[in-house]
Amino acid sequence: DAGITQSPRHKVTETGTPVTLRCHQTENHRYMYWYRQDPGHGLRLIHYSYGVKDTDKGEVSDGYSVSRSKTEDFLLTLESATSSQTSVYFCAISATGQGAIGYTFGSGTRLTVV
Amino acid sequence: QKEVEQDPGPLSVPEGAIVSLNCTYSNSAFQYFMWYRQYSRKGPELLMYTYSSGNKEDGRFTAQVDKSSKYISLFIRDSQPSDSATYLCAPTVTSGSRLTFGEGTQLTVNP
Repeated sequence: DAGITQSPRHKVTETGTPVTLRCHQTENHRYMYWYRQDPGHGLRLIHYSYGVKDTDKGEVSDGYSVSRSKTEDFLLTLESATSSQTSVYFCAISATGQGAIGYTFGSGTRLTVV
Repeated sequence: QKEVEQDPGPLSVPEGAIVSLNCTYSNSAFQYFMWYRQYSRKGPELLMYTYSSGNKEDGRFTAQVDKSSKYISLFIRDSQPSDSATYLCAPTVTSGSRLTFGEGTQLTVNP
């Protein structure tokens, strides 16, 4: 996962607590994405960013917020964690311009809400 | 109806078998067709991609697209236990635009 790291790798939290996941890239890519992956649903887009302070919602954004104050960092916050947010969360980055193909994914954060 | 449909499997084959993984899609604007491979407890990684209809070969892997029927295939020849992973199709409109992922097919190749 060269150039993209997620932290923490694992987290257990209690229902109702806020949780922040971090994605850090060293590729200077413009686009960053947060996905969750669940059995029976595959990868679902939560939020994405197309530049510093520019973000937009994905298909499953309820209960999540994001921030991007620097090109290299994209934070995902669960405002009040619920058991339905137990999942594996992946960050991805993509470049723009000629030759840009696909995404590079991080290694994931396994979140358990108890 | 999902924009991309993929049979989640699981699919179990003996070593050396030819594997066929498939997706269908509904958006006729899709032009690039990517395949990602995801090992257990890892992030997906780009395996290969094709542009428009036709075939593309990379070693033991062949990606095939039939835009007329909106059907995407990935073939693996002489499958190996190291091919055991989840394979996700991801078509998109342009090379740099947002991807739409299939659910993924879990493949196990048994020695």
